[in-house]
Amino acid sequence: EAGVAQSPRYKIIEKRQSVAFWCNPISGHATLYWYQQILGQGPKLLIQFQNNGVVDDSQLPKDRFSAERLKGVDSTLKIQPAKLEDSAVYLCASSLALGATGSPLHFGNGTRLTVT
Amino acid sequence: DQQVKQNSPSLSVQEGRISILNCDYTNSMFDYFLWYKKYPAEGPTFLISISSIKDKNEDGRFTVFLNKSAKHLSLHIVPSQPGDSAVYFCAATTTETKLTFGTGTRLQVTL
Repeated sequence: EAGVAQSPRYKIIEKRQSVAFWCNPISGHATLYWYQQILGQGPKLLIQFQNNGVVDDSQLPKDRFSAERLKGVDSTLKIQPAKLEDSAVYLCASSLALGATGSPLHFGNGTRLTVT
Repeated sequence: DQQVKQNSPSLSVQEGRISILNCDYTNSMFDYFLWYKKYPAEGPTFLISISSIKDKNEDGRFTVFLNKSAKHLSLHIVPSQPGDSAVYFCAATTTETKLTFGTGTRLQVTL
């Protein structure tokens, strides 16, 4: 099966600019996640979708970050305006079922964002 | 508040020997634990998991041990191979809630 697809792989922007990341999950996976991984830290969940509804966005900085999953398939994550501390790898993941106990998460290769 | 901790940022092991990666957690509500492996420039890939009703789960060269009273789990790799060189993340969750990841341990298997 095809894996989780993410684009772009790399992005460099200046602070206060905006940026968007795209994710296409594994076909048939209802649950989609966006994680932020800062260098030297573990991935941190930003937002979790079940189909096209938000399950958990408690750690999403909503003043600057937004995400959508139209039609319950592809998803985009946007940052506007970006700050220096947003420099990180943004990982998209998907799973068949809600919750890691139902089925493991499958991650994409991520987008490395550098904010200068 | 770091609920999942991997106190060893790096580990070096000779090929053929055992690799032991450790993980501690503080949230007693966690009831499912996973290990992910990550190569450079790739996303994490699922390796092995264990439910809190078990104390051991084995899959080939990989075994995860869970000590609930100590809130500690470990991943054993026997025998270690050069291809095992990667960053290993421990993660924990409760039913239908988000995964909480540790900070990772970089394993290097030397020839």
